[in-house]
Amino acid sequence: RKEVEQDPGPFNVPEGATVAFNCTYSNSASQSFFWYRQDCRKEPKLLMSVYSSGNEDGRFTAQLNRASQYISLLIRDSKLSDSATYLCVVNSDLNSGYALNFGKGTSLLVTP
Amino acid sequence: NAGVTQTPKFQVLKTGQSMTLQCAQDMNHNSMYWYRQDPGMGLRLIYYSASEGTTDKGEVPNGYNVSRLNKREFSLRLESAAPSQTSVYFCASSEVGVTEAFFGQGTRLTVV
Repeated sequence: RKEVEQDPGPFNVPEGATVAFNCTYSNSASQSFFWYRQDCRKEPKLLMSVYSSGNEDGRFTAQLNRASQYISLLIRDSKLSDSATYLCVVNSDLNSGYALNFGKGTSLLVTP
Repeated sequence: NAGVTQTPKFQVLKTGQSMTLQCAQDMNHNSMYWYRQDPGMGLRLIYYSASEGTTDKGEVPNGYNVSRLNKREFSLRLESAAPSQTSVYFCASSEVGVTEAFFGQGTRLTVV
């Protein structure tokens, strides 16, 4: 079982719609949580960190539920430029340090 | 600002050939990583280096070796390439304690 699970989608939504992505993680000791965005044939880039109290950045809202080991990303008023793959990311405790453990990603297509 | 630079961007190898993927970062990060990304599999950690002089195996290390040449550079070597190593390879770096990871633009490797 993969440590970070996401619904792969694709999610096809019209411009202006609100869309939500969910993610679950298996390691209860994880301390850091992120959403990354990856455009087609490009490298992943940080979209936002996810804090215990929840956080908002413009049209994007991230929530963390530690008890359920669940992370969400809400995108309001979707734009065509939001079309991308969204990666749920959780830190992994490794032998000599930490690394980021990626979900497989959720594909979003925003249509006119 | 260069960030994380990977070379080459594209490569085609024949089965059994060897090659080294180069990665350099100019952000003075301690931690560096190599990931591979395959369709339907997401990003998987190959090797990581928590600091200069240390390297450790990730989720899928077989068939690869790494060298942390200095704080800036972290190379990935395929000694005898196999078709199963056809993938997109990403190098990344971060500060200690898993903060935001910055990725290179990726190397698209095809082994025939």
